[in-house]
Amino acid sequence: AQRVTQVQSTGSSQWGEVTLDCSYETSEYSYLILWYRQLFSGEMVFLIYQPSFDTQNQRSGHYSVVFQKSFKSISLVISASQPEDSGTYFCALSELIGASGSWQLIFGSGTQLTVMP
Amino acid sequence: GPKVLQIPSHQIIDMGQMVTLNCDPVSNHLYFYWYKQILGQQMEFLVNFYNGKVMEKSKLFKDQFSVERPDGSYFTLKIQPTALEDSAVYFCASSPTASQNTLYFGAGTRLSVL
Repeated sequence: AQRVTQVQSTGSSQWGEVTLDCSYETSEYSYLILWYRQLFSGEMVFLIYQPSFDTQNQRSGHYSVVFQKSFKSISLVISASQPEDSGTYFCALSELIGASGSWQLIFGSGTQLTVMP
Repeated sequence: GPKVLQIPSHQIIDMGQMVTLNCDPVSNHLYFYWYKQILGQQMEFLVNFYNGKVMEKSKLFKDQFSVERPDGSYFTLKIQPTALEDSAVYFCASSPTASQNTLYFGAGTRLSVL
C-alpha cells in the first residue's frame, strides 16, 4: 500500500492559484512533509517543508501549504502560478529509520502540472 | 544554488556487467544518499552514507550493490553484477546535516540494463 498518495497525476492551470493534494500514512509522532519540484532536466528542487509538530501552515515565497494533521493531509498551494512553474511536483514524508538516527524520504508518485500562458 | 552532479546522465549496460554511477556532491556536505526510481513509480530510498560508512539501507539495496566515497571524491554506487530489474533512474542526494529539509538532489542517472 502506498504510504504517500498524490491522487492528481496531472493538472493544468492558467495563471492564478494552484493547489496540489497529498495524503500520507504514518504512525510516527514526529515527521516532516516536504514538497519537491522535478525540473525537465530531472533535477529535484526542494520547495517547502512542514514539521508535524508545527500547527502553523508554512510559507516560502509563492509556495505555501495547508496542513491538516488529523486527516494526514497536506496541500501545496502555488500562488500566482506562471508557465515556469510547470513540472512534476512530489510530496514526501520524512521518517526516522533504523537505530542510527537516519531519515528517509518516502515519495508520492507526483503530480505533473502544466501552467499555460 | 549548490548543485549535486551525476555522471553520466544515461548509461546502457548488458546484464551481468558491472556499473558504477558517480555522484559529485555539494562540497562540505557530509551526508550522502542514493534513491531509485523505476519508470512510472515512486522514488525509493536505497542507502545513506556518513563518515565513510553506510548508515542505513533499504531492502532494495541488494547484496550486489555497494557504495563508497574514496578520499572525499565522488560518492559512487556500484552494481555488480547488474540485473534487468536494476533498470531505473538513480538519484544521488547530499546534505550538510542529517536533517531532511536540507537535501540537495542531482538530476539522476538513467541506467538501462539490456
